[in-house]
Amino acid sequence: DIQMTQSPSSLSASIGDRVTITCRASQSVYKSLNWYQQKPGKAPKLLIYAASSLESGVPPRFSGSGVGISFALTITSLQPADVATYYCQQSYSFPITFGQGTRLEIK
Amino acid sequence: VQLLESGGGLAQPGGSLRLSCAASGFTFKNYGMSWVRQAPGKGLEWVSSIIDSGHSTYYADSVKGRFTISRDNSKNTLYLQMNSPRAEDTAVYFCAKGVYGDLSRWDNWGQGTLVTVSS
Repeated sequence: DIQMTQSPSSLSASIGDRVTITCRASQSVYKSLNWYQQKPGKAPKLLIYAASSLESGVPPRFSGSGVGISFALTITSLQPADVATYYCQQSYSFPITFGQGTRLEIK
Repeated sequence: VQLLESGGGLAQPGGSLRLSCAASGFTFKNYGMSWVRQAPGKGLEWVSSIIDSGHSTYYADSVKGRFTISRDNSKNTLYLQMNSPRAEDTAVYFCAKGVYGDLSRWDNWGQGTLVTVSS
């Protein structure tokens, strides 16, 4: 199974800050890496697919990068609406696996 | 697109429960579907996936042999038959729609249904 490790587990930042969350795979997943945002009590929402493609309707302050085993999700200017938990997910092979999540709060 | 899960509730250990996910707003028969769960206060865990035709299915090791995913394309409905549930299966279960040509990237999710396994 491919293990996905996110860091940090939690993060506190100020409005307008640039925020980066990283995700590392235990083996190469090429570009088959997706990012989801989950707000409390809600279903996850797809933000980024294929490592760097922005899902339709997602604000352009979100971006993704990386290939192989190392990936990142960046929010260029943090907004109050971005308070959520973020998960990376590899879709390269079954079993599909998620990172443990990064909880993002406003300082 | 709308995905509406139902069938959750209290299940006895060793009993059975069937979850349903009613789909609307898209051509259901053309898309792979999946179940993803989230234990209370925990992260997301993939459970099972099924291709558009229903002819191929995939399972997490934690549920293999106990859970069965299926679909009825005439009724636009996805199912998860949960046999011999365990306490560790307690979670909110989400159904998720795959994107066209990719079973394991999910662009639409249901609101989830809570399954509690307890005697």
